Amino acid sequence: QKEVEQNSGPLSVPEGAIASLNCTYSDRGSQSFFWYRQYSGKSPELIMFIYSNGDKEDGRFTAQLNKASQYVSLLIRDSQPSDSATYLCAVNEDTGGFKTIFGAGTRLFVKA
Amino acid sequence: DTEVTQTPKHLVMGMTNKKSLKCEQHMGHRAMYWYKQKAKKPPELMFVYSYEKLSINESVPSRFSPECPNSSLLNLHLHALQPEDSALYLCASSRGDSSYEQYFGPGTRLTVT
Repeated sequence: QKEVEQNSGPLSVPEGAIASLNCTYSDRGSQSFFWYRQYSGKSPELIMFIYSNGDKEDGRFTAQLNKASQYVSLLIRDSQPSDSATYLCAVNEDTGGFKTIFGAGTRLFVKA
Repeated sequence: DTEVTQTPKHLVMGMTNKKSLKCEQHMGHRAMYWYKQKAKKPPELMFVYSYEKLSINESVPSRFSPECPNSSLLNLHLHALQPEDSALYLCASSRGDSSYEQYFGPGTRLTVT
């Protein structure tokens, strides 16, 4: 059974701090990795994707991938109360790429 | 434009009803997906269409029947559902080539009575 594991949280950080969200996956052949943000009652919103080992930065968000350790993380710099949401880690299988497995999500609270 | 639209927003149906959920995108994406999401759980993949052909069926019960009339539209036909099928049904699309980033619609909140 292929799995994507996340700490369910809640993770609480003060406004302006760095929030660090982590995810591990079991399928060593996985090739595509995504972070989605989901506000309560809303649909998931893609915020970052990463395909290669290393770091990828987009504004306040940095995704980090380490395929050898089967580990992907999301850093949110200068956290804002509006960042409070559930963050879903998603991983695509290596065959064809369409099958996406989501982690259970980490709830983030940013305190003003 | 990364918009995926879904109708209706909310749907209440009895166990003997037949209804359909609709999804539309105009981004030129060639892969479209149906997910089911229960409260406080992650989305679960149901079906994937790639270039209008059913590519993945995650052993979904036959009371759910997908249809992809063209590259922009995706339907999910519902018949004889059970109360446990009540959930948020999400449609998503991706380019369909080697890029697999998915863009989700707002979802249809389904209640089966």
